[in-house]
Amino acid sequence: GDSVTQMEGPVTLSEEAFLTINCTYTATGYPSLFWYVQYPGEGLQLLLKATKADDKGSNKGFEATYRKETTSFHLEKGSVQVSDSAVYFCALITMNRDDKIIFGKGTRLHILP
Amino acid sequence: ETGVTQTPRHLVMGMTNKKSLKCEQHLGHNAMYWYKQSAKKPLELMFVYSLEERVENNSVPSRFSPECPNSSHLFLHLHTLQPEDSALYLCASSQRGQETQYFGPGTRLLVL
Repeated sequence: GDSVTQMEGPVTLSEEAFLTINCTYTATGYPSLFWYVQYPGEGLQLLLKATKADDKGSNKGFEATYRKETTSFHLEKGSVQVSDSAVYFCALITMNRDDKIIFGKGTRLHILP
Repeated sequence: ETGVTQTPRHLVMGMTNKKSLKCEQHLGHNAMYWYKQSAKKPLELMFVYSLEERVENNSVPSRFSPECPNSSHLFLHLHTLQPEDSALYLCASSQRGQETQYFGPGTRLLVL
């Protein structure tokens, strides 16, 4: 079945460091890909998404490119801030599968001042 | 921003209690979801309602009973829970045919 694999956390970085959180997927069909973020004490929020190969999603300085050839959707940010500390979830949805989102396990990110 | 609210935000209950979690969405969506998020497991989809009909029940124990009286409201009725049911319960909504789900802040449940 469809699945999402993302790098284990926690990831700890200093402020202004470059961030990469890896995400790969397996899916039959043509999924859309998402990154959701969960700040402490809150629910999940959509961070960015891409709906087809080579699309780049971007928001709040974060970017991810839908790479069909490597079945990847890695999350990147050039200069992280303390306020980026959160749990990040990679996810996919294939619209012919009853709109069910498949989430990765989440990667906890700690940014040190 | 969130158009999905959940109450209560925190709940402590004994194993013999009966309680209900409430979710309300103000986004005009027609699908709603319950997820369980615990420390040691990934997000688990529990139930899906589409157009007020249950379309998914992921082998959830019967001590969890969902109810969707209309497209804006979703409940999760709890009875005779176990300590391992302690978790964050998240509600989400979406518009059928569109991909993005919008989540509420969750109810943090502790079963003693």
